[in-house]
Amino acid sequence: QVYLVESGGGLVRTGGSLRLSCVGSGFSFSGDYMSWIRQAPGKGLEWISYISGSGTTIYYADSVKGRFTVSRDNAKNSLYLQMNSLRADDTAVYYCARFVNFWSGFDFWGQGTLVTVSS
Amino acid sequence: SYVLTQSPSVSVAPGKTARIPCGGNNLGSKSVQWYQQRPGQAPVLVIYYDGDRPSGIPERFSGSNSGNTATLTISRVEGGDEADYYCQVWDTTSDHWVFGGGTKLTVL
Repeated sequence: QVYLVESGGGLVRTGGSLRLSCVGSGFSFSGDYMSWIRQAPGKGLEWISYISGSGTTIYYADSVKGRFTVSRDNAKNSLYLQMNSLRADDTAVYYCARFVNFWSGFDFWGQGTLVTVSS
Repeated sequence: SYVLTQSPSVSVAPGKTARIPCGGNNLGSKSVQWYQQRPGQAPVLVIYYDGDRPSGIPERFSGSNSGNTATLTISRVEGGDEADYYCQVWDTTSDHWVFGGGTKLTVL
């Protein structure tokens, strides 16, 4: 059984930083792409980043590029999202998800962790 | 950047067929995924490769993709199908995943 568990969310001041974690189990973590997706309250899904299994290929959405950094530690089956210069519009539930290729989507998702940015 | 367009809402009576469209430029040349998201829950993949179903997804869920429109079809709709549905593609031009804005399915 595949499990993805996010943690690290919470309340942070505007301009502050936060680091999210996602631990995976039940699959070959180091072999799969991982992604972060967020959902603002009452809004739709927004893809924000992905990282290849080796960590050598990384892409970001324009909305977070230069402020957020994705990384992974395959020895710990862990995915991370370092979020800096946080703004009110970064308030959202943040999900991690797995995908195996670019034609079959995200087959497993975590339960999400809520990040609230407020002044 | 690539844009996927979905209608905000679709309504259907129980037992009938719901069709949820997703529009995009030359969408038929891409592989479309569909996700179901019930309130307070994480999204669940219900269709991939335009029309394939992951294990555990009922056969009532099917998908098609041609031209500029992909369609998620839910046959014999049940109350438990009431949810938000999102289409998604991989945009090779930007190397970005793209989601549609979502469609809220209401079961009357």
